[in-house]
Amino acid sequence: SQTIHQWPATLVQPVGSPLSLECTVEGTSNPNLYWYRQAAGRGLQLLFYSVGIGQISSEVPQNLSASRPQDRQFILSSKKLLLSDSGFYLCAWSRDRNYGYTFGSGTRLTVV
Amino acid sequence: TQLLEQSPQFLSIQEGENLTVYCNSSSVFSSLQWYRQEPGEGPVLLVTVVTGGEVKKLKRLTFQFGDARKDSSLHITAAQPGDTGLYLCAGLPSYKYIFGTGTRLKVLA
Repeated sequence: SQTIHQWPATLVQPVGSPLSLECTVEGTSNPNLYWYRQAAGRGLQLLFYSVGIGQISSEVPQNLSASRPQDRQFILSSKKLLLSDSGFYLCAWSRDRNYGYTFGSGTRLTVV
Repeated sequence: TQLLEQSPQFLSIQEGENLTVYCNSSSVFSSLQWYRQEPGEGPVLLVTVVTGGEVKKLKRLTFQFGDARKDSSLHITAAQPGDTGLYLCAGLPSYKYIFGTGTRLKVLA
């Protein structure tokens, strides 16, 4: 069966510090991978998606970047965090666009 | 900008009551999904509907996709405290899903 792992679960970082959130998928190959950010108790905003190694599409201009160094690994990064980067970050995978998403358990990021 | 609006935003009901949550858009979707999310967790897929007018049932939950594939509803019969959570719809207009604004449901025992 397929599983998705996302870590860390919570993170408190000072303004200006770097960020690296990691997401890995097991039990499947060539998944579509996504990073979302969710405002408190509300809908999800797509940040990045990837259909293959090294292929990253950015949905919104921001202080973040994403990379896919391996088929089942997706990383969300920032060189210098802003207060506005605080939020709940979710990684997800799908077989293709017609299938549902399986989400990771999320990372609560607080920038102080 | 394509939007998926959900209503109501918040709903608090007593155990045993019925409820309906709506997901509306001006865009046509090739498929639509419903998710439930609990605090501090990622959303969990409940159902995917792809055909206009399609109705799917999942125990006490009934999902309907509008005939024109622009809207959907989720009906819960005899709600239970375990149904509490954030319900999100997500529509596929082209190559990626867009998520609705969410309905936060609280079922009181």
